[in-house]
Amino acid sequence: KNQVEQSPQSLIILEGKNCTLQCNYTVSPFSNLRWYKQDTGRGPVSLTIMTFSENTKSNGRYTATLDADTKQSSLHITASQLSDSASYICVVSWRTSGTYKYIFGTGTRLKVLA
Amino acid sequence: DTEVTQTPKHLVMGMTNKKSLKCEQHMGHRAMYWYKQKAKKPPELMFVYSYEKLSINESVPSRFSPECPNSSLLNLHLHALQPEDSALYLCASSQDSGTSGYFEQFFGPGTRLTVL
Repeated sequence: KNQVEQSPQSLIILEGKNCTLQCNYTVSPFSNLRWYKQDTGRGPVSLTIMTFSENTKSNGRYTATLDADTKQSSLHITASQLSDSASYICVVSWRTSGTYKYIFGTGTRLKVLA
Repeated sequence: DTEVTQTPKHLVMGMTNKKSLKCEQHMGHRAMYWYKQKAKKPPELMFVYSYEKLSINESVPSRFSPECPNSSLLNLHLHALQPEDSALYLCASSQDSGTSGYFEQFFGPGTRLTVL
């Protein structure tokens, strides 16, 4: 069964600190993995997208890693800011019957405190 | 223009009302999506339109009726909803619906729906 699990479920950190969010998946055959940031009451915004051959991808203070062998991805946030407070959602895509499908993880709710 | 717009931002309706949610994009995308998102949960896919044709209906109750009048517009018609249908309804668009395998979905800000 295709599944995407994220951890931790929620996280509180102080402004300026770093943090790492985890995404584990059982999707097969894997196509790509993307991380979204969703502010409360808003639509998700794409941060990064990675394919099988990509190990690391950065977008400003956000760095995503992918280990396709262990089926794990992480999102590292450097020097956190108050505006980083949001939900971070991992979405994994796979190919089936000639088309591509995707599944959303349950998300990690991050709160950055001053 | 890399924006997906949704109207209204908020909607309160009774169980006997008929209302519609609207979504618009001008990025030339040929796939458009409706999602439902409950609090503290990830978005749940409801419908996918590809080239103005309904390609995926994730067993959504008939009280939700999607419509794609043209490639830039997507509507969701609501009728006889239940209080448990209260949620954030998100619209998204992408270049295609997955035939390339590497597509980015752009989400709108959502419509916060409350059913009384």
